[in-house]
Parts: sequence; C-alpha cells; structure tokens
Amino acid sequence: GAVVSQHPSWVICKSGTSVKIECRSLDFQATTMFWYRQFPKQSLMLMATSNEGSKATYEQGVEKDKFLINHASLTLSTLTVTSAHPEDSSFYICSAREPKGAGELFFGEGSRLTVL
Amino acid sequence: AQSVTQPDIHITVSEGASLELRCNYSYGATPYLFWYVQSPGQGLQLLLKYFSGDTLVQGIKGFEAEFKRSQSSFNLRKPSVHWSDAAEYFCAVGEYNFNKFYFGSGTKLNVKP
Repeated sequence: GAVVSQHPSWVICKSGTSVKIECRSLDFQATTMFWYRQFPKQSLMLMATSNEGSKATYEQGVEKDKFLINHASLTLSTLTVTSAHPEDSSFYICSAREPKGAGELFFGEGSRLTVL
Repeated sequence: AQSVTQPDIHITVSEGASLELRCNYSYGATPYLFWYVQSPGQGLQLLLKYFSGDTLVQGIKGFEAEFKRSQSSFNLRKPSVHWSDAAEYFCAVGEYNFNKFYFGSGTKLNVKP
C-alpha cells in the first residue's frame, strides 16, 4: 500500500513556542491530506482537511490561527502548532488518500507532542 | 448525522480463541466501511474495507468482517487470536467521495497467554 510518513515522531517543547509537524506521501501524490488529533484512550478527531495549493478546511471548534496547515506541494503538508500550551499535548496523525486507489486512507506513524 | 459506534471499549480474549469486535454505523447513503488497527504509539494500519459486492470481506492478518445492512453493522472477526493481535481497533465510515471519515471510539484488545 501507499506510504505516508510523519516527522518528528516525538517532540517536546516549552510552552509558548511553535512546533512544526511534517506529513509526506512517499510514493504517491496527495492533493488532499487530513490531520487528526487523538487524545489518550480516545478515537481520532478530524482537525482539518489540507488541500494542495489552497487553504485548509478546518472542522468546527478547531482554531485556525492555533493550528496552521500548509499544503505546499503534492507530497507535503505541514501542521504548525503555534504558541503551544500544555493542553495542546497530544498525538497528531496525518493521513492521505491515494487518488488512484480504492479510496482508503493511509496514515502516518503519528507525532507525539508534549508541551512543558 | 453520520456516526460509528463501537460498544466494547475493552475486550480480553485468550490466545487461540475466536474474536469478534462490534461496529455499528449510522449513515444516510451506502457506506464505505473500514477497519483499522493501531499499535501503541503508532499510526493506523488498514485491516480491510468494504465498498460493495460480497458482504464478507477478507483482510490482512487473518481478519474478516461482514457487512449487514439490515443491522447497520460491520463486525470484525478472527477465528484464532494471536498475542501479536493485541492493539486498538477502529471502525470507520467513509463518505462516498472519501473526503471525510468518521471513526468509532475504538476497542482495545488484550490477549491472555
């Protein structure tokens, strides 16, 4: 199947700093990528849909200025958590849909963010 | 509104025993259904999917699932569980254009030796 890679896998930062997480589709072009947040022992919550060359579409309740998404190329989307606070600590997962495939999502390995 | 329900939060089975994880969905149109597995600290891996046709679908690692429209269910089964199957399992419904996926709350599977 298609491969989606996230970097970094783990990041620890101080409160007030910004953190960037990258999501790459390694062997296919993804016009659309999705960013999810997963709280401990809970399911995935869709944060936003990242569209190549245009603005991301955010889900209700997700702060656009807090979670900046940039989909600058067909293989890369980035999520920047700005002015991070401890409550932003979470597991962030990206996914992409292979255009030629049967529609399933391929997920990255996830990025564990801890804000001190 | 679309929703996915996984009624079992935790399930413990003995190694070698059979397994069934329940999934019920609410969706207005023909659903596209998926099961994913997540190991601790990892992303999600697709086990199997149903789009149309045969309602019994086979997936990887010996898993299968059966779509029952009358019951709005898509339960995951495995005849004989292995210790390496211990993980969290998520059922998901995808919209017809695959632009949105709705995930259940997950079922954590523990396997006793």
